[in-house]
Amino acid sequence: QKEVEQNSGPLSVPEGAIASLNCTYSDRGSQSFFWYRQYSGKSPELIMSIYSNGDKEDGRFTAQLNKASQYVSLLIRDSQPSDSATYLCAVRQDDKIIFGKGTRLHILP
Amino acid sequence: DAGVTQSPTHLIKTRGQQVTLRCSPISGHKSVSWYQQVLGQGPQFIFQYYEKEERGRGNFPDRFSARQFPNYSSELNVNALLLGDSALYLCASSLVLSGELFFGEGSRLTVL
Repeated sequence: QKEVEQNSGPLSVPEGAIASLNCTYSDRGSQSFFWYRQYSGKSPELIMSIYSNGDKEDGRFTAQLNKASQYVSLLIRDSQPSDSATYLCAVRQDDKIIFGKGTRLHILP
Repeated sequence: DAGVTQSPTHLIKTRGQQVTLRCSPISGHKSVSWYQQVLGQGPQFIFQYYEKEERGRGNFPDRFSARQFPNYSSELNVNALLLGDSALYLCASSLVLSGELFFGEGSRLTVL
């Protein structure tokens, strides 16, 4: 099984700043990439999907994909305390969705 | 519309016992996936079913099995439980085979 790597954190970001979360993957054949948010004690929820190189913006969230370098990133602009959560990177490999271990994000009020 | 529903939400078993976890997908979703999540880790892929056929299997022993029924609901069975099987078991559904998953609240299994 190919790997999906994330820095476990915690990543502490002041309120109002930009949070930058990174993810690398080992399977060069991966085609679909996803970011999930998981609050403590809750199940993951999908926040972004990206399928082609470049940037994809949705509100305060921007996903970035670089297939040549095999990395995916998520930017959160104007970070809010409610953004404090674990962010999971997920990659589709064949018929499997492989998750990273997640990065804990803490927004400092 | 109702989201993904899982039952039971919590259960306690002893080593060697067997457990069955149940999942009902979002109406119209034809794919169900099962994941195991232990504290501090990301979800680990166990199975994916689409249109009642197994379409993917993760690196779990044969003690783990699953099936999908004609109404697209699914069961995950774990035999001969070990202490290490204690985890949150997550079911997710999707319209088709994609990574855009909608998760249930999970079944928390404790093995004593």
